[in-house]
Amino acid sequence: DVKVTQSSRYLVKRTGEKVFLECVQDMDHENMFWYRQDPGLGLRLIYFSYDVKMKEKGDIPEGYSVSREKKERFSLILESASTNQTSMYLCASSWGGREVETQYFGPGTRLLVL
Amino acid sequence: AQSVTQLDSQVPVFEEAPVELRCNYSSSVSVYLFWYVQYPNQGLQLLLKYLSGSTLVESINGFEAEFNKSQTSFHLRKPSVHISDTAEYFCAVSDLRAAGNKLTFGGGTRVLVKP
Repeated sequence: DVKVTQSSRYLVKRTGEKVFLECVQDMDHENMFWYRQDPGLGLRLIYFSYDVKMKEKGDIPEGYSVSREKKERFSLILESASTNQTSMYLCASSWGGREVETQYFGPGTRLLVL
Repeated sequence: AQSVTQLDSQVPVFEEAPVELRCNYSSSVSVYLFWYVQYPNQGLQLLLKYLSGSTLVESINGFEAEFNKSQTSFHLRKPSVHISDTAEYFCAVSDLRAAGNKLTFGGGTRVLVKP
C-alpha cells in the first residue's frame, strides 16, 4: 500500500510565525503536491514538484514556499503565517510516468493561525 | 485554464435510495477525469477515473460515472447508497500536457446518507 504521511494532524500557530509542514511518501514517487482545502472551494494547488530540487507554482503560491531535498520528502513552508492561511493542508504524491497517474493523499494537517 | 463545477454542495439521501452527483468542467483541450472520495477525518482516495475508451467507468463499490464530451460532464451515480457512503466527493480534471499531471478540483459535494 502507498503511504503518504504528514507530520502533524493538528497545528496551532500565531500570526507571524514560520511554519513547516512535512510530507513523506514511501513509494518512490516522482511527483509530490501540496493543496489547501477550504469549504466550498475544494482543493487548490499551492505548489508541486516533479523531481528532487524541482518545484513549480500551483494556483495559489502566494505566502508559501516549498522544499524538496530528497525524493520522498516535500515540505511546505509558511514564511510568516497569517490568519487567512488557516486551512486544511493536504499532501499528495504520484508516479511520474507519461500516463496521468493516480494521486495518493496524506490524512491532512489542520492548521489554525491565531 | 481548466475549471470544474460541482453543482451541489450537499446532497442528503436516504439509505438504499439512488444518488447522482453532478460535475461539469471547462477546458480547451482533451482532459482526463477523476472522482475522489474523502471519508470523515481522512485524506482523499481515488474512486474512479476516465482516461480513454468506454465512456462509462465503474468503481469496485458500486459507483459509476459517465463521460459526456458534448455536455462536458462527468456525473457520478450510485443506484443504492449505504450509510458508509457518507463522505465528501470531489470531481477533478487533468490535462496530460501539464507538467506533473496537475489536477484541478471542483468544490466538493458532501453526501449524507440517512437511515
